[in-house]
Amino acid sequence: AQKITQTQPGMFVQEKEAVTLDCTYDTSDPSYGLFWYKQPSSGEMIFLIYQGSYDQQNATEGRYSLNFQKARKSANLVISASQLGDSAMYFCAMREVYNNNDMRFGAGTRLTVKP
Amino acid sequence: KAGVTQTPRYLIKTRGQQVTLSCSPISGHRSVSWYQQTPGQGLQFLFEYFSETQRNKGNFPGRFSGRQFSNSRSEMNVSTLELGDSALYLCASSLQGQRNEKLFFGSGTQLSVL
Repeated sequence: AQKITQTQPGMFVQEKEAVTLDCTYDTSDPSYGLFWYKQPSSGEMIFLIYQGSYDQQNATEGRYSLNFQKARKSANLVISASQLGDSAMYFCAMREVYNNNDMRFGAGTRLTVKP
Repeated sequence: KAGVTQTPRYLIKTRGQQVTLSCSPISGHRSVSWYQQTPGQGLQFLFEYFSETQRNKGNFPGRFSGRQFSNSRSEMNVSTLELGDSALYLCASSLQGQRNEKLFFGSGTQLSVL
């Protein structure tokens, strides 16, 4: 069964605007970690942000913030003030203790920032 | 601090051959994970090694194998290559492989099977 669901295969956003990339997950493990990665066309995977299941506050890292809604099992990534360099694939991922902490990824969302 | 290093960067093989990919993790990292990335299947978990032991394995046939050495360097082997094995193979490392640790990825090995 798919553990991580990213329902938006592609998204477009105007430069300088904010965009939200959706991610829902499925787990019965009370202890897990949620991650977002960016993969530009060059192929490298770049870590963006982390949210622990016990964290009370939403994580933020510069222009990136994670809208964590635990009861809904949702971990949406918000990018503020989009830049052309933000155009890339974005992956949501989860590590569960039940799954030996292996990181499993969603299918990804391709974000295109328009000038 | 050097990042995760994968070699080679590109490989071209023919069906039936075997291939070995190498990964050197960040110094001090003991957990190494391997992923296969294809346009159709996305990022699929292959296996994870910690202290020379395979801790977990994804849903791949036995043709895919790996090992980890005492210096944490890891190799991945694919035997009897099939066309469908064409993919970007990514290696990633972390300190202990705990749930709150991010993975540091290498640049990947692009394997083409002809």
